[in-house]
Order: sequence, then structure tokens, then C-alpha cells
Amino acid sequence: QAVVTQEPSLTVSPGGTVTLTCGSSTGAVTSTHYPHWFQQKPGQVPRTLIFDTNNKHSWTPARFSGSLLGGKAALTLSGAQPEDEAEYYCLLSYNGAYAFGAGTKVTVL
Amino acid sequence: EVHLVESGGGLVQPGASLRLSCAASGLAVSNSNMIWVRQVPGKGPEWVSLMYVGGATYYADSVKGRFTLSRDNSKNTLYLQMNSLRPEDTALYHCVSVYGGSYWGQGTLVTVFS
Repeated sequence: QAVVTQEPSLTVSPGGTVTLTCGSSTGAVTSTHYPHWFQQKPGQVPRTLIFDTNNKHSWTPARFSGSLLGGKAALTLSGAQPEDEAEYYCLLSYNGAYAFGAGTKVTVL
Repeated sequence: EVHLVESGGGLVQPGASLRLSCAASGLAVSNSNMIWVRQVPGKGPEWVSLMYVGGATYYADSVKGRFTLSRDNSKNTLYLQMNSLRPEDTALYHCVSVYGGSYWGQGTLVTVFS
């Protein structure tokens, strides 16, 4: 089964911008992988931020956006807030399977 | 508003069986691609199984042949039958809709102890 890759950790300054990426061992990530992005804080259930590449739920802060970038799915956080410090996971759909990335720990410092 | 409520977890010995349920409201499980995800505390989530809208089911290699996914449209409920449980199946199990949005249930804890 496919392996999904994410940066293990990233640091962003308060008010700054950071981009997380999500790659696939099978090749370029496209919209047909229906990329999802989840935020998870300690002790909480993951919360969906982005689905199907760039769609937001009603609860998704406007500072988060999803896209495809250089053959990967990307989550961009613009104007980071202290409460954005969390683990972020991407999820990709394959024909007859899904796969999560190992997560990116984002530190706001 | 969408709600997914899992139940059926418990403490069992290796080789035992459990059936997890995922009761949905605010969406129809028959009209959503639904997955089960498990997560060990401190680790990342792991995809376990998938049911497409059309009813086709798929499983991660780690559970293939032991877990079976089904749904009851009249009850708007998804089920995960887990047989031949192993200690490595210990985790919090969530059902997640992944069709036109993504919603998570709170999860049900499965503990397989030897």
C-alpha cells in the first residue's frame, strides 16, 4: 500500500506563514487523491480542516487553505496563531484504499 | 449537523471478536464513502477499512481476512466485525465520512490484552 510523506516538524512565527506538504510514493498527488487535512491537538479527536484538496468546513479558520503544489498536496497557514500549534495529518484516497501521512508537528514560536 | 457515534469497543483477549457500530445522523451512510480509522495514543491515525457508496469494501493489509465491514441502511449504521483480534489491534477506533466533507466520531476503545 502507498506511503504518504509529510515533513516531521515545522516551526512558524506568530503571524507568519508556513506550508505543509503531503506526497505520495505512487507519484504526483492530484485532485483524484481527494486530499484531506486534519488538525489534532493532544487528547482530542482529529478535526477536518480541508477536504477534497481545497474545500473548507464551516469551522475551518480562514487562515488555512489547501492546494496542490509541485506534485504534492499542500496546507498553507497564513497568519499563524498560538492555537494553531498542533499535529497535522494528511489523508489521500487511492483506488480501494486510503493512507495517512505520519503527521507534521507545527510549533508556533 | 452530522454526528457519528461509535460503540462496541471493549477489553478482550487475543483471538476474540468484537463488532463495532457507527450510528450516523445528519448524513446517510449509504450516500457517503465511509472509513474506519484507528489510532494508538501518541501515534498517528491508521486507515483500517473503506466502504464506498456503492457498497464495495476494502481493507488495510493488517486486517484483511479478519475484519468485515457492513452497513444497515434502515438503521443508518455502519458495522465493523473484528475477528481473531491481536494485541496490535489495540487502539481507539473512529468512523469517518469522507464524501463531500469529512466528519469524525469520538471513537470507541478496543483493548486486546494477553
